[in-house]
Amino acid sequence: NAGVTQTPKFQVLKTGQSMTLQCAQDMNHNSMYWYRQDPGMGLRLIYYSASEGTTDKGEVPNGYNVSRLNKREFSLRLESAAPSQTSVYFCASQTGSGTQYFGPGTRLLVL
Amino acid sequence: TQLLEQSPQFLSIQEGENLTVYCNSSSVFSSLQWYRQEPGEGPVLLVTVVTGGEVKKLKRLTFQFGDARKDSSLHITAAQPGDTGLYLCAAPSGNTPLVFGKGTRLSVIA
Repeated sequence: NAGVTQTPKFQVLKTGQSMTLQCAQDMNHNSMYWYRQDPGMGLRLIYYSASEGTTDKGEVPNGYNVSRLNKREFSLRLESAAPSQTSVYFCASQTGSGTQYFGPGTRLLVL
Repeated sequence: TQLLEQSPQFLSIQEGENLTVYCNSSSVFSSLQWYRQEPGEGPVLLVTVVTGGEVKKLKRLTFQFGDARKDSSLHITAAQPGDTGLYLCAAPSGNTPLVFGKGTRLSVIA
């Protein structure tokens, strides 16, 4: 099992460009999450999906959209990147008992 | 206002020393989790505590959930360089599945 995988590992964008961060899990979990991690701010929830076909906003959803493509995949899209979106992005999936498994992260720099 | 306050923010100790880090809140939680994150990687779950007053041990790590389920501590005995990392506490809150504290960054020097 690969667990939770994320692509790309690194990305540099110019302000205004768009991109999609991909996440996939092979653990058959219903729930999936997107977080951003910034120095001094900890992990903050952007969006989550409790099950296939549903998505909900987290603490910091502005500037992002998500798609739960199927049970395995949950993507995060930045339509018009801003320097404030420079961060490390983590995807996670969750067991029924509440344990979250995280991917290795995507490091995004917006110039 | 941060829902989960972790202290200290940074801790640098010598190998072999003991240490305790804290996770405090004014809210009551149904459960609380501790994660460790190493540089360049995602967080990894260490433990989940559910019952007030509960103590769980994981080798040299001892986790305690406060009697009122508002706070938790992590004690490491005889710290080793392999314990270096960011320690995060997290708990479900309202409609948010999991809220994280800002973490304690531990450095254990050989």
